[in-house]
Amino acid sequence: KNEVEQSPQNLTAQEGEFITINCSYSVGISALHWLQQHPGGGIVSLFMLSSGKKKHGRLIATINIQEKHSSLHITASHPRDSAVYICAVEETSGSRLTFGEGTQLTVNP
Amino acid sequence: DTAVSQTPKYLVTQMGNDKSIKCEQNLGHDTMYWYKQDSKKFLKIMFSYNNKELIINETVPNRFSPKSPDKAHLNLHINSLELGDSAVYFCASSPRGTLGQPQHFGDGTRLSIL
Repeated sequence: KNEVEQSPQNLTAQEGEFITINCSYSVGISALHWLQQHPGGGIVSLFMLSSGKKKHGRLIATINIQEKHSSLHITASHPRDSAVYICAVEETSGSRLTFGEGTQLTVNP
Repeated sequence: DTAVSQTPKYLVTQMGNDKSIKCEQNLGHDTMYWYKQDSKKFLKIMFSYNNKELIINETVPNRFSPKSPDKAHLNLHINSLELGDSAVYFCASSPRGTLGQPQHFGDGTRLSIL
């Protein structure tokens, strides 16, 4: 079992819909990262958080340390949001990132 | 201005060959990483260097040898390539280690072994 689990694995939405991607982890962490990988393959860091909530444009990331759970929300989704979204955690035991398997999001016009 | 640049972008080669992938960052970061992304898009760390010093060396075959001539460069040399080495390799950097710092990724090198 992976230490970082994401759900769903695949998600298809209509333009304008509110989207939620979930991430659960089983280890102690110092921070959690959300990354975006576009069809072209490049990876971009969206958020890094260790508590509470962060917002950037239409994207919102939340984390609940006690429940070991984080969510990534996209409001008013758009076809250009179509990408793989990856959750990664920095474990307190070592200076490395452990990744979830990613969520493939497709937003149809 | 490209922050983290990898070359080549694509690499197609025969089994048994030796190849290198180069990575350079112009962000002034102290820490650089190599990740492998398999066919299922799963990312896994291979190596991490901080100021030219190796700090993470995952269970990677010793056919893979990273080299950091200075803190702006982290190259990956692979000997005796095998079919299972086919993957996308990403270089990344962060300011000071991983603790609480976002990472900047290169565009990836798509390695295909024939």
